[in-house]
Amino acid sequence: NAGVTQTPKFQVLKTGQSMTLQCAQDMNHNSMYWYRQDPGMGLRLIYYSASEGTTDKGEVPNGYNVSRLNKREFSLRLESAAPSQTSVYFCASRTGQGWGYGYTFGSGTRLTVV
Amino acid sequence: TQLLEQSPQFLSIQEGENLTVYCNSSSVFSSLQWYRQEPGEGPVLLVTVVTGGEVKKLKRLTFQFGDARKDSSLHITAAQTGDTGLYLCAGAFSNFGNEKLTFGTGTRLTIIP
Repeated sequence: NAGVTQTPKFQVLKTGQSMTLQCAQDMNHNSMYWYRQDPGMGLRLIYYSASEGTTDKGEVPNGYNVSRLNKREFSLRLESAAPSQTSVYFCASRTGQGWGYGYTFGSGTRLTVV
Repeated sequence: TQLLEQSPQFLSIQEGENLTVYCNSSSVFSSLQWYRQEPGEGPVLLVTVVTGGEVKKLKRLTFQFGDARKDSSLHITAAQTGDTGLYLCAGAFSNFGNEKLTFGTGTRLTIIP
């Protein structure tokens, strides 16, 4: 099925470890996004990429880096994981034109940092 | 930072009842979206509204965009257990070339059989 694929689905890290969350979409969308979701905080934007080769910071970028490898793939890297980065991470891509658009989300990566 | 407030935070009603949830901001939206999220899954887009005063219907769900484009509501008629989930609104603001959404914290809806 067409959509946004995220891997892994679950991950446990020790404080200080690094890891990369992978995201790929097969809908030929230009814009891709990384969000984190925490209880009572809603979805907060970490980084986004308006097109291949460009990335920009969102609301909560500290402690993260991203790579837009090609049009399909947008990865999120934690260089030195901290317990405050325990969260559910969602990747999304943008569908539609102009203001009448919406996001297609992946099913998420549940990350625990101990 | 633009803020979206959703109310109520939690809502639990009997199957067959009607309900309305709200999304409000002090800023004007360029467009607004509603999503439903089920446990262990990502949000799924229900609707996008763009024009002030716009009303869209999706089966038993009715979405309304305020005339001033600062608020929106979602009304569910004859709720079913399958409507249970987290309902999120997300607003796009007039930052041309800055394609980002701001999400509300959600209304967690439980339909009791």
